[in-house]
Amino acid sequence: GENVEQHPSTLSVQEGDSAVIKCTYSDSASNYFPWYKQELGKRPQLIIDIRSNVGEKKDQRIAVTLNKTAKHFSLHITETQPEDSAVYFCAASIRRAGGTSYGKLTFGQGTILTVHP
Amino acid sequence: NAGVMQNPRHLVRRRGQEARLRCSPMKGHSHVYWYRQLPEEGLKFMVYLQKENIIDESGMPKERFSAEFPKEGPSILRIQQVVRGDSAAYFCASSLGQGRMNEQFFGPGTRLTVL
Repeated sequence: GENVEQHPSTLSVQEGDSAVIKCTYSDSASNYFPWYKQELGKRPQLIIDIRSNVGEKKDQRIAVTLNKTAKHFSLHITETQPEDSAVYFCAASIRRAGGTSYGKLTFGQGTILTVHP
Repeated sequence: NAGVMQNPRHLVRRRGQEARLRCSPMKGHSHVYWYRQLPEEGLKFMVYLQKENIIDESGMPKERFSAEFPKEGPSILRIQQVVRGDSAAYFCASSLGQGRMNEQFFGPGTRLTVL
């Protein structure tokens, strides 16, 4: 089955700096890669996602890049703010029309991001 | 439009009791997924259901765990004869299942504590 590795496990930055979190996946059939932000005791919330037919996607201070050949994707947060502090999870999914694996997300281990004021 | 609802938010059970966790998907969503999150770990897939059907239960332990999503009412994750290792946060997510690829919206979770 799919395996997703995420690094680093913790990341500490100063306010205004950039933060980069990297993930690798094992199954070349994976074609959907969402990123979730989870604050302490709260639900995971989708912040950005990318599909395998796209190499990069941006949404204000957040961007995600995907390298299908190398099977890795990264989250980039620019101009970090203290409210960006949370646990970030990457995930991968395989969509096969009519297949039993449709929809299942395989998550990375998470990155605890701390932004110091 | 209410988001994904889960109840109870917190559940305490003694070893050997049963735990029932409920999930109401977003309006119009017919796909439900259950994930388990152990303390300081990532989310692990358990089971994927559509109305009245289990599509993929590859992540669910074969014994003591069961799930259903009836035609009417919420999806239920049932854990029989709970053990301390079942203590975790259980999240459900729902998706539309068509159009936008696989975007899953998570509920607030049920935090199960087994004494």
